[in-house]
Amino acid sequence: DQQVKQNSPSLSVQEGRISILNCDYTNSMFDYFLWYKKYPAEGPTFLISISSIKDKNEDGRFTVFLNKSAKHLSLHIVPSQPGDSAVYFCAATENGGATNKLIFGTGTLLAVQP
Amino acid sequence: DTAVSQTPKYLVTQMGNDKSIKCEQNLGHDTMYWYKQDSKKFLKIMFSYNNKELIINETVPNRFSPKSPDKAHLNLHINSLELGDSAVYFCASSGAGGNEQFFGPGTRLTVL
Repeated sequence: DQQVKQNSPSLSVQEGRISILNCDYTNSMFDYFLWYKKYPAEGPTFLISISSIKDKNEDGRFTVFLNKSAKHLSLHIVPSQPGDSAVYFCAATENGGATNKLIFGTGTLLAVQP
Repeated sequence: DTAVSQTPKYLVTQMGNDKSIKCEQNLGHDTMYWYKQDSKKFLKIMFSYNNKELIINETVPNRFSPKSPDKAHLNLHINSLELGDSAVYFCASSGAGGNEQFFGPGTRLTVL
């Protein structure tokens, strides 16, 4: 039973364009969401997060949008750069993270073409 | 200066052997975790320790035994290794609040 889903295993975008990565969840108790970036042979690196009391959080080129009614969140990267090429994981947690248990999606491989 | 480190990075062993993976964090965090990423790239939590106390155990076979000698270290010992244990194991840590977890580089375990 996969509670966090990333239905696009891969995405290819031209440099300078917008990258949009999507994530859906099924557990209505999730109230905090995170995006991690992962390069090959490295551990995931925290990118950006959002609490369920917000619908948008922005950090430089990265913006995360949350639609609670649809149980959907997305990560926008603009402008995309070749160095953004990596696997992006969406993760969710309950109780504001008090349980410290992150549930991850299966990841989306982003390729930014120069 | 590595924040979360794991050793070894690669581990190749025979079925039935016992092996350990070590993890250390120098971030001053109270909580540490072990995650398993299987062949389908699915990253799933196995254990979590807070101040050396086990707080999450995700129905992992009891062949897996985490040990936390102090809050900066969380080691993973695996007995009687099986083919299905082949995976990448990630250690992570988090501070107060615990939302943002910092991951180590991973240990790729291959059981032959």
